[in-house]
Formats: sequence, structure tokens, C-alpha cells
Amino acid sequence: GENVEQHPSTLSVQEGDSAVIKCTYSDSASNYFPWYKQELGKRPQLIIDIRSNVGEKKDQRIAVTLNKTAKHFSLHITETQPEDSAVYFCAASITGGGNKLTFGTGTQLKVEL
Amino acid sequence: GAVVSQHPSRVICKSGTSVKIECRSLDFQATTMFWYRQFPKKSLMLMATSNEGSKATYEQGVEKDKFLINHASLTLSTLTVTSAHPEDSSFYICSALGGTSGAPDTQYFGPGTRLTVL
Repeated sequence: GENVEQHPSTLSVQEGDSAVIKCTYSDSASNYFPWYKQELGKRPQLIIDIRSNVGEKKDQRIAVTLNKTAKHFSLHITETQPEDSAVYFCAASITGGGNKLTFGTGTQLKVEL
Repeated sequence: GAVVSQHPSRVICKSGTSVKIECRSLDFQATTMFWYRQFPKKSLMLMATSNEGSKATYEQGVEKDKFLINHASLTLSTLTVTSAHPEDSSFYICSALGGTSGAPDTQYFGPGTRLTVL
């Protein structure tokens, strides 16, 4: 089955700096890669996703890159703000192949003032 | 729309009792829903896939007789934890596939149910 690894487990940045979280996956058939933000005790919220037919996607301060050959994808947050502090999860699935998400282990991002 | 609700948000029960958790897609129909379990400071672990009108598909290691799933309509899936024990205490989260504003492979999550078994 699919295995998703995520690094780092914790990340502390100064407000205004950029943050990068990296994930690798094992199943070359995976073609859908969402990123979720989860605040303590709350639901995971989809913040951005990317499919295997593109290499990069951007939405305001958030961007995701995908390298299919190397089987890794990354989340980039620019101009970080205190409200970006949360746990971020990457995930992978196969569209049409059950759509089951395999999650990474999560990254605790702390944006310090 | 892509709003998913769960009820209850928090439940405390005695060991040996059963607890039912509801997951509803409020503004869209979901033929497929998923149930996850999340331990403190850990990732989400998929328990089962719930398909409307058919039996749920359980992940390896998940006891189907202990975690009963019913998906009787296109907007409601239920998870019943039977004969709950303290080790079943956890955060249970459901998700629904699709939504009218998202792609058919996008999962939208409910707010979760905190189960505490005494």
C-alpha cells in the first residue's frame, strides 16, 4: 500500500518568513495530493491540492510543487502569519481507485512574532 | 457546497456501552464517506470506507464487529462503537467525498467527535 513520509515534524519560523514542508510517497499510481491544515481539536481543512498532471499550483501565499519522478511534493507558505500556526498534513490518493487518502505524519508549524 | 457535520461533538460513556456517531453531508450528496481515528498529536488513520447502500470496507486491523458502519442515505453515515472500552477513547472524524464545489476526489471533513470511555 501507499506510504507517505513527511518532514519536518516541527517547524518554527519568524513572522514574515517562508515555511516549507516536504512529503514523499511510495506508490507511483498516486495522482492526487491534498494538503490539510488542522488546528487543535478542529477538523482538517483543505488548503490546497495538486494533481499529477501539473508540477506546481499557487493560491495567494500558498503553493505546492510536485515531482512525479522523485515521488515527492512540497508545501510552501510565504509571508507567514501567526494564524498560520497549526498542524499541516500532506496526503496522497488514487483518483478512481477508491480515493482513500494516506496521510503523512504531520508538521507542527509555529509562527513566532 | 461542501459542509460536513458530525454529532455529537463530544461524548463520555461508561465501559461496555455502545455509542453512535453521525456524519452528515449538509449541502451535497455523498455516495462515499470515510471514517478516521486520530490519537493526540498523531495523524489520521483510516478505519473504513462507507458506501451508500452497501457494506462498508474496513482497513486491515479494524474490527468490523466493534465499529459498525451504516450508510443508509446519500447524506448520512453512522459509526457505532459497540461495547466501548477505555482504549476506544479517541477523536473520530468522518469525511465525505465530492461536494458540489469540489472535485469528485476531494474529501471534506466533519468537525470530529471526541469519545471518552470511562
